[in-house]
Amino acid sequence: DIQMTQSPSTLSASVGDRVTITCRASQSISSWLAWYQQKPGKAPNLLIYKASSLESGVPSRFSGSGSGTEFTLTISSLQPDDFATYYCQHYSSYPYTFGQGTKLEIK
Amino acid sequence: EVQLVETGGGLVQPGGSLRLSCAVSGFTFSSNAMSWIRQAPGKGLEWVSGISVRGDRTYYADSVKGRFTISRDYPKNTLSLQMNSVRAEDTAIYYCAKDLKGFEQWGQGTLVTVSS
Repeated sequence: DIQMTQSPSTLSASVGDRVTITCRASQSISSWLAWYQQKPGKAPNLLIYKASSLESGVPSRFSGSGSGTEFTLTISSLQPDDFATYYCQHYSSYPYTFGQGTKLEIK
Repeated sequence: EVQLVETGGGLVQPGGSLRLSCAVSGFTFSSNAMSWIRQAPGKGLEWVSGISVRGDRTYYADSVKGRFTISRDYPKNTLSLQMNSVRAEDTAIYYCAKDLKGFEQWGQGTLVTVSS
């Protein structure tokens, strides 16, 4: 099975900061990677698919990059609504797996 | 409007059974693969099971293989998860999701609690 490792587990930042979250796959997944945002008590929301494609309706301050085994999610200028938990997930082949999550906190 | 509505959660004793359902509307159910994903209290996301567009291929996480069965009913636009021999570690919110480019649509989830 493909393992997904996210870093950091927790990130403290301020409104207006540029932040980057990293996700590593244990083997190549080409670009079959998605990023999600989850707020407490809510279902996750798809932000990025195929590593770098922005889901419809998602603000352009979110961007994704990478291929193979190394991927990043970048938020260019943090807004108050962005403080949440973020997950990466591969969909290269079953079984799909998620990263352990990155909690983005207000500094 | 796309809607996925999970039902069937509740309290079940260890070793017992439960059947979750996910009613789908707003997109062509018969043209999309589907999955179940769960989240234990305070924990991260875990993919549980997936089913192909035609329902002829099913996939499971090792943690539920042999105990859970995924299925789909096309006339009723419903996805199901039959959970047998449940364990305390199966306690979680269970989400159904449309499986296309990652999970692009999710239900609100249904809580399953395994406890005596």
